[in-house]
Amino acid sequence: GAGVSQSPSNKVTEKGKDVELRCDPISGHTALYWYRQSLGQGLEFLIYFQGNSAPDKSGLPSDRFSAERTGGSVSTLTIQRTQQEDSAVYLCASSSLAGANIQYFGAGTRLSVL
Amino acid sequence: GESVGLHLPTLSVQEGDNSIINCAYSNSASDYFIWYKQESGKGPQFIIDIRSNMDKRQGQRVTVLLNKTVKHLSLQIAATQPGDSAVYFCAENSGGSNYKLTFGKGTLLTVNP
Repeated sequence: GAGVSQSPSNKVTEKGKDVELRCDPISGHTALYWYRQSLGQGLEFLIYFQGNSAPDKSGLPSDRFSAERTGGSVSTLTIQRTQQEDSAVYLCASSSLAGANIQYFGAGTRLSVL
Repeated sequence: GESVGLHLPTLSVQEGDNSIINCAYSNSASDYFIWYKQESGKGPQFIIDIRSNMDKRQGQRVTVLLNKTVKHLSLQIAATQPGDSAVYFCAENSGGSNYKLTFGKGTLLTVNP
């Protein structure tokens, strides 16, 4: 596609439920990133995938958070047993090797945990 | 101005004026800096970047200035337009990382017609 696509755009869930957020990166981009953005805050790095290398998971806040990237393209961020403090916008970005630091973002998934 | 770790500052300007958004970065080993614009309900959009071997870079209506001595970055927007209203984030490449960016909390720019 023309840009990074994320789905769903909005997700409302009940505390304790699991959620899956999806990211389709720009075609041909080998690097993929997940960030979390709380209201009025900057972007908090969660995880980074680059090709077939082991992902950098250093930003995941707890073991309830996990992500995978299948076939080097689509990625899924999973949050298990959601808590109210997980409510935020989850942003995905991708970049190419040629411009590794220029990350192109999707519109995000707004997660609300009731 | 903005500094990583502080509350979101705001800047209000009149249409046609020039805007200057400031950012203090944290890591002296960072050698790449980037500005993003985020409109309400959208993801951040790349504006301009600069490497540490430069102190100024110009784009279309935007200029980024880098002062490594005091670890300060600024974004200048010429002839600000209502469409420029957004939150602006600076980011640094986390101590020289070739992929990880550390973002500031952003500055809200409001352009009054």
